[in-house]
Amino acid sequence: AQKVTQAQTEISVVEKEDVTLDCVYETRDTTYYLFWYKQPPSGELVFLIRRNSFDEQNEISGRYSWNFQKSTSSFNFTITASQVVDSAVYFCALTRLNSGGYQKVTFGTGTKLQVIP
Amino acid sequence: EPEVTQTPSHQVTQMGQEVILRCVPISNHLYFYWYRQILGQKVEFLVSFYNNEISEKSEIFDDQFSVERPDGSNFTLKIRSTKLEDSAMYFCASRAGLAGTGELFFGEGSRLTVL
Repeated sequence: AQKVTQAQTEISVVEKEDVTLDCVYETRDTTYYLFWYKQPPSGELVFLIRRNSFDEQNEISGRYSWNFQKSTSSFNFTITASQVVDSAVYFCALTRLNSGGYQKVTFGTGTKLQVIP
Repeated sequence: EPEVTQTPSHQVTQMGQEVILRCVPISNHLYFYWYRQILGQKVEFLVSFYNNEISEKSEIFDDQFSVERPDGSNFTLKIRSTKLEDSAMYFCASRAGLAGTGELFFGEGSRLTVL
C-alpha cells in the first residue's frame, strides 16, 4: 500500500521568508514517482515537479527547490523568498508504474500555505 | 501548451439526478483518470482507464459511477443517482503512454453541488 503524509496542515509565513513543506511517503515498490502539485484558490491542480525513485539529485527551479532523500522516505519542498502568489494548498503525491503501465496517484492531505504581505 | 479541458466548470443538481461530467484529455495521451476532492480534503483517486476499459478503481467508484470514452476524444464520468456526499470537485487527468514522463496533466475541475 502507498501512503503520503504531509504533517503540516497549515503554515503562515511573512513575505520573503523561506518555507519548507514536508512530505514523507511509504511504498513497497522500488520504482515509483513523487510529485508536488499546487492548488491555488481558483481550484485547479498545477504540476510543479516529478521525481523518479532512482534520481535522488536535488532540484532547483527558480525560487523552488526539492530535497529527495530515499533514506528517510522524504521529498521536501522549499520556497525561497516567498511571495503572496505562493499562497495555495500544496499536495505531495506518489505513484508507481504497474506492469500494465497505468498508475494510480496517491495524494497527501495537503499543506495550506499562507504568505502574508 | 496542450491541456485537459473539463465541462461544466460547475454543476448544481438535485439529489437522485444523473450527472455527466465531460473531459477532453490531451490528444495523444493513452491513460485517463478521474479524481475527486471533497471541499477542503485531499484529492482521491476514483478510476483509471486505458485501452477502452477500466484499469483500476477505488472503493469510492461504486455501481453509481461509470466512465466512458464514447468517441475517441471525450472521456466522461457519469453518476447515475447523485447523493449529497457526491458534492465535490471532480478532476479529470490524462497521461502519455509508457514512454511518457509519468506526469499527470489535470483539468481545471468540475465542481458538483448536490442539493
